[in-house]
Amino acid sequence: QKEVEQDPGPLSVPEGAIVSLNCTYSNSAFQYFMWYRQYSRKGPELLMYTYSSGNKEDGRFTAQVDKSSKYISLFIRDSQPSDSATYLCAMRKGGSEKLVFGKGTKLTVNP
Amino acid sequence: DTGVSQDPRHKITKRGQNVTFRCDPISEHNRLYWYRQTLGQGPEFLTYFQNEAQLEKSRLLSDRFSAERPKGSFSTLEIQRTEQGDSAMYLCASSLGEGLGDNYNEQFFGPGTRLTVL
Repeated sequence: QKEVEQDPGPLSVPEGAIVSLNCTYSNSAFQYFMWYRQYSRKGPELLMYTYSSGNKEDGRFTAQVDKSSKYISLFIRDSQPSDSATYLCAMRKGGSEKLVFGKGTKLTVNP
Repeated sequence: DTGVSQDPRHKITKRGQNVTFRCDPISEHNRLYWYRQTLGQGPEFLTYFQNEAQLEKSRLLSDRFSAERPKGSFSTLEIQRTEQGDSAMYLCASSLGEGLGDNYNEQFFGPGTRLTVL
């Protein structure tokens, strides 16, 4: 079993839809949780960064962390065609610099 | 442009050749990271530097791979005797590394160097 599991999709939604992306993990030592967006043949771009459990909102994006269930989510409201990309979850243990990534979920928002 | 930069963006080489990639981190970022990403997978950690000191290396970093950050600024990643399995995107990231708040170790990625080994 991989440390971080993420459904690779692909996920296709109409413009304006609410998108829910998820990751599960097995190592309870993870304390820092991130979501990155990666356009084709580009480097990952940091979207959200959260520490421990709870919610964090930034514009149309909301990140949720449930450490008791070892489950993290990213919600995208009012999705736009420009949101079409691969979304990667990543996490890190306290005291470690190593990010452990999921496989990424490929999202397409159709106009 | 104040982001992480990498050079070259693309490299095609023949099996057995040596290749070297360069990464310039965001100015004033103390930490620098190398990751490798293959098609359909998330990035995998290779190694990281705090200033010029290499502090952690993944078991993925075989003895054919060497990374340096001689003056604590830019870094190079060299692959010797390349193999077809080395074909991947090599990503560099940097973080501030020190400071208050929980964002000082956010890692910001460069555009990557895409390596193809024929």
